[in-house]
Amino acid sequence: GAVVSQHPSWVICKSGTSVKIECRSLDFQATTMFWYRQFPKQSLMLMATSNEGSKATYEQGVEKDKFLINHASLTLSTLTVTSAHPEDSSFYICSADQGTAGELFFGEGSRLTVL
Amino acid sequence: GQSLEQPSEVTAVEGAIVQINCTYQTSGFYGLSWYQQHDGGAPTFLSYNGLDGLEETGRFSSFLSRSDSYGYLLLQELQMKDSASYFCAVRGGKAGTALIFGKGTTLSVSS
Repeated sequence: GAVVSQHPSWVICKSGTSVKIECRSLDFQATTMFWYRQFPKQSLMLMATSNEGSKATYEQGVEKDKFLINHASLTLSTLTVTSAHPEDSSFYICSADQGTAGELFFGEGSRLTVL
Repeated sequence: GQSLEQPSEVTAVEGAIVQINCTYQTSGFYGLSWYQQHDGGAPTFLSYNGLDGLEETGRFSSFLSRSDSYGYLLLQELQMKDSASYFCAVRGGKAGTALIFGKGTTLSVSS
C-alpha cells in the first residue's frame, strides 16, 4: 500500500513553545491530507482537512490560530502547534488521500508531550 | 450530525470468533472501513465495504448493510496478537473527504 511518513514520532517541549509536525506521502501525490488528534483511550478526532495550495478547513472547536496547517506541495503537509500547553499533549496522526474510495493511508503518528 | 456506535469492549479466548458491530448515522456515505490500532501505534487498515455484502481477507471479514446503516467486523481464529482497538469509520463523501471514526472497541484475547 501507499506510504505516509510522519516526523517526528516523539516530541517533548516546554510550555509556550511551538512544535512542527511533518506529514509526507512518499510514493503518491496527495491533494488532500487530514490531521487527527487522539487522546489516551479515545477515538481519532478529525482536526482539519488540508488541501494543497489552499487554506485548511478546520473542524468546529479547533483553533486555527493555534494549530497552523500548511500544505505547500502535493506530498507534504505540516501541522504547527503554536504556544503549546500541557493540554495540547496528545497523539497527532495525519492521513493522506490517494483519491480512491477506499483506504486512507495513515502516518505513524506523533506523540507530543508539553511540560 | 454524524455518529458511529460500536461496543466499547469485547473479550474472547484464543481460537474463538468475535464479531464487532457498528451502526452509523451520517449525512453522506461512501463506504465503511475498519482499522486496527495497537497501543501506541497508528491505525492500520483492515477492510473496506463500499457495497452491501461480505468482504473476506484471511481471518478477518467485514459486512455491510446500507439499508440498515450497519456493518460488522468478524475476526476468526483469534490470536493473542489480535488484542487491540478496532475502529469502524465512514467517509461521508468521495475522495477528499475525511474518515469519521467510531469510539473504538477494545478487544482482549486471553489464552
